[in-house]
Amino acid sequence: EPEVTQTPSHQVTQMGQEVILRCVPISNHLYFYWYRQILGQKVEFLVSFYNNEISEKSEIFDDQFSVERPDGSNFTLKIRSTKLEDSAMYFCASSPRDTQYFGPGTRLTVL
Amino acid sequence: AQSVSQHNHHVILSEAASLELGCNYSYGGTVNLFWYVQYPGQHLQLLLKYFSGDPLVKGIKGFEAEFIKSKFSFNLRKPSVQWSDTAEYFCAALSNFGNEKLTFGTGTRLTIIP
Repeated sequence: EPEVTQTPSHQVTQMGQEVILRCVPISNHLYFYWYRQILGQKVEFLVSFYNNEISEKSEIFDDQFSVERPDGSNFTLKIRSTKLEDSAMYFCASSPRDTQYFGPGTRLTVL
Repeated sequence: AQSVSQHNHHVILSEAASLELGCNYSYGGTVNLFWYVQYPGQHLQLLLKYFSGDPLVKGIKGFEAEFIKSKFSFNLRKPSVQWSDTAEYFCAALSNFGNEKLTFGTGTRLTIIP
């Protein structure tokens, strides 16, 4: 059964550094998402992406964040200048239409 | 704004006990509802979903959920839990088909004692 994959599984970075989190969605899916879960809190929506553009973003998704689908298979989340409060588990999801399937997540630790 | 609430933060049961985890949503229009499970160290997996039709939906691993529109609820049930059901359970809602975001509840940690 096809799965969403994410790399790396754990990323440690210094505050102010740029990070890129990578995701490979399920191949025939059309909709892509990023969510995050700060330790002890609920899973929060960050951004959705369809037809090569952002379709919706949350207030969390400010100018420090960007998404890209550079080659038709990968889906990346870039944080330009990380802050301590960006430490969280970041989940990628993809959907053929109405059911989202999640990847295993990338744990981002900002020191 | 759409919201999902799960009132049970941590539930501890013995094996073979029956389970019911509460989920309530707040949304005025058509809503699609999901339960996801996150086993320790693993990613979110879909347990079951409700879009329309029979309000009692069956999912994987013996789980089921009942959509009660009048109560804005979508409670998850299992008649007899196993130790392997120890996990975090998330209720989520989607307001429309298509590329809408999922709104998650805070999650319920379920611990099954052998």
